[in-house]
Amino acid sequence: QVQLQESGPGLVKPSGTLSLTCVVSGVSIYSSNWWSWVRQPPGKGLEWIGEISHSGDTNFNPSLKSRVTLSVDTSKNQFSLNLRSVTAADTAMYYCAKIRGDIAARPVDYWGQGTLVTVSS
Amino acid sequence: DIQMTQSPSSLSASVGDRVTITCRASQSISSYLNWYQQKPGKAPKLLIYGASSLQSGVPSGFSGSGSGTDFTLTISSLQPEDFATYYCQQSYSTPRTFGQGTKVEIK
Repeated sequence: QVQLQESGPGLVKPSGTLSLTCVVSGVSIYSSNWWSWVRQPPGKGLEWIGEISHSGDTNFNPSLKSRVTLSVDTSKNQFSLNLRSVTAADTAMYYCAKIRGDIAARPVDYWGQGTLVTVSS
Repeated sequence: DIQMTQSPSSLSASVGDRVTITCRASQSISSYLNWYQQKPGKAPKLLIYGASSLQSGVPSGFSGSGSGTDFTLTISSLQPEDFATYYCQQSYSTPRTFGQGTKVEIK
């Protein structure tokens, strides 16, 4: 059974760095070409943050690219998100997600439960 | 960036109704279009991928169609568990943008 679980601080100070890790179980991180992060501000829609392959190739949302780092740790079967210089606008539920790599449409077939990160002093 | 526009933003419907949600892309995305369902407090769930392929385990009452710029998600007979918010997402290019969502409420 494939499961993804986000972990990290629920509260980050303005100008600080948001750091989240997604632990993957039930499937090797090598099994899917790409892994993704999506966020959702309270009461709003979904925003794609970026994606990373098991080999470390990345794609980012241009609106966040200058502040985002994605990394993968194949030895721990997990991947991570760092978002620098956060403001209140970065307050959101953050989801990690598995992209189904065998399908050209690259749908997200598994999602973490999400973790709420609040940016506040 | 490719902009995805859903209509309507919300709708009220009754159990048993046929419901259609439209998603329009700002440029052609071929069939690189996925649909998700999200219930309050939960992560999204994949319904349809590649515009028209039903994800395993999803009831057959859901269907998708379209290609190019115009796409449709249809629920043939609305069930109580279908009241949720639905999002389209293009995967033709990065950033892989989502529509703004369509909230399906009980009439």
